[in-house]
Amino acid sequence: QKEVEQDPGPLSVPEGAIVSLNCTYSNSAFQYFMWYRQYSRKGPELLMYTYSSGNKEDGRFTAQVDKSSKYISLFIRDSQPSDSATYLCAAILIQGAQKLVFGQGTRLTINP
Amino acid sequence: EPEVTQTPSHQVTQMGQEVILRCVPISNHLYFYWYRQILGQKVEFLVSFYNNEISEKSEIFDDQFSVERPDGSNFTLKIRSTKLEDSAMYFCALTGTGHGELFFGEGSRLTVL
Repeated sequence: QKEVEQDPGPLSVPEGAIVSLNCTYSNSAFQYFMWYRQYSRKGPELLMYTYSSGNKEDGRFTAQVDKSSKYISLFIRDSQPSDSATYLCAAILIQGAQKLVFGQGTRLTINP
Repeated sequence: EPEVTQTPSHQVTQMGQEVILRCVPISNHLYFYWYRQILGQKVEFLVSFYNNEISEKSEIFDDQFSVERPDGSNFTLKIRSTKLEDSAMYFCALTGTGHGELFFGEGSRLTVL
């Protein structure tokens, strides 16, 4: 069983739409959850970082973790063409020495 | 947010050749990480390096791989005898201030022919 699963997409939405990106995970010991944005042939860029269950908001981005259902979400409001990228979810054990476990990544395109 | 420079940005090599990928942090760090991403696949953990020693490694990080910090600043990943399946993007990563925060370099693309 894969530890972190993510629908690879591709996902295409019109500019201004609300985007919902999701991941599930299997290891209940995961404590920290991250969302990264990756442009083509570039390094992953940390967007959001949350600990345990709950919501975290940063501008147009909201990260949500539901540990009871092992579900991670990222919402993007008022999406822009510049948000077009691959979005990676990742999880880590509390004593994991930053050994991130990544999802497959969802390729997102925002159409002007 | 820590900054890290990786060189080379792209390297093409013949199968069986040795390759050294370099990571140069802008400021002092004790913890370094290498991750790999084969085209179209997940980003995968290779190795973590703390205080000049390997602290954890994955099953991918076999005897063909090694890491070191030769001069106290640069952090290198060496692949002793490259195979076709080593073709990938290799990312160096550094920790931030929060537990779980990890910042990646731009990556080195390795192509093995």
